[in-house]
Amino acid sequence: GESVGLHLPTLSVQEGDNSIINCAYSNSASDYFIWYKQESGKGPQFIIDIRSNMDKRQGQRVTVLLNKTVKHLSLQIAATQPGDSAVYFCAEAPWTGNQFYFGTGTSLTVIP
Amino acid sequence: DTAVSQTPKYLVTQMGNDKSIKCEQNLGHDTMYWYKQDSKKFLKIMFSYNNKELIINETVPNRFSPKSPDKAHLNLHINSLELGDSAVYFCASSQERGRGSYNEQFFGPGTRLTVL
Repeated sequence: GESVGLHLPTLSVQEGDNSIINCAYSNSASDYFIWYKQESGKGPQFIIDIRSNMDKRQGQRVTVLLNKTVKHLSLQIAATQPGDSAVYFCAEAPWTGNQFYFGTGTSLTVIP
Repeated sequence: DTAVSQTPKYLVTQMGNDKSIKCEQNLGHDTMYWYKQDSKKFLKIMFSYNNKELIINETVPNRFSPKSPDKAHLNLHINSLELGDSAVYFCASSQERGRGSYNEQFFGPGTRLTVL
């Protein structure tokens, strides 16, 4: 099956700094990628997505970068706030089907 | 509120028991899912239903049986519970994804199952 993994299991940043969370995927046939945020005691919440025909997509304070050559995905959070503290998951989906494959997750802690 | 809801939020039970977790979505979505999240936060899909029909069934013991009475509900029944079943179970839903289109999945709050 597909494998989606994260480079760093934990990340601590100072409030106001930018955060970068990385993700590696193994299935070159995947063409849709998503970042989810999971706060303690809650279900994952959609942050941003990107299709394989793009290499960058921006949202509010978040940017997702996709490098298909090295099968790498990253999530950049600008001006990180305490409310950004959570576990972040990347997920990939193939061209067909509704099945998403999730990575292990990175725990982001924002230090006030 | 429009959302994906699950009951119960916590479930503590003895090994060997049978239990059910219920899921309901009022988002009008066509597809519903069950995921298992282990103690290391790894999130793995178990089942997916589209309009009450099973479309994804990952390698899950047949002690787990999903049931979809209608497209707004997807319940998970677990027989003969084992210690390894302890995890957080998430229900999710999405609009049907046609070829070339993608739809985010909306997750419920999770059910923490503890098997003693």
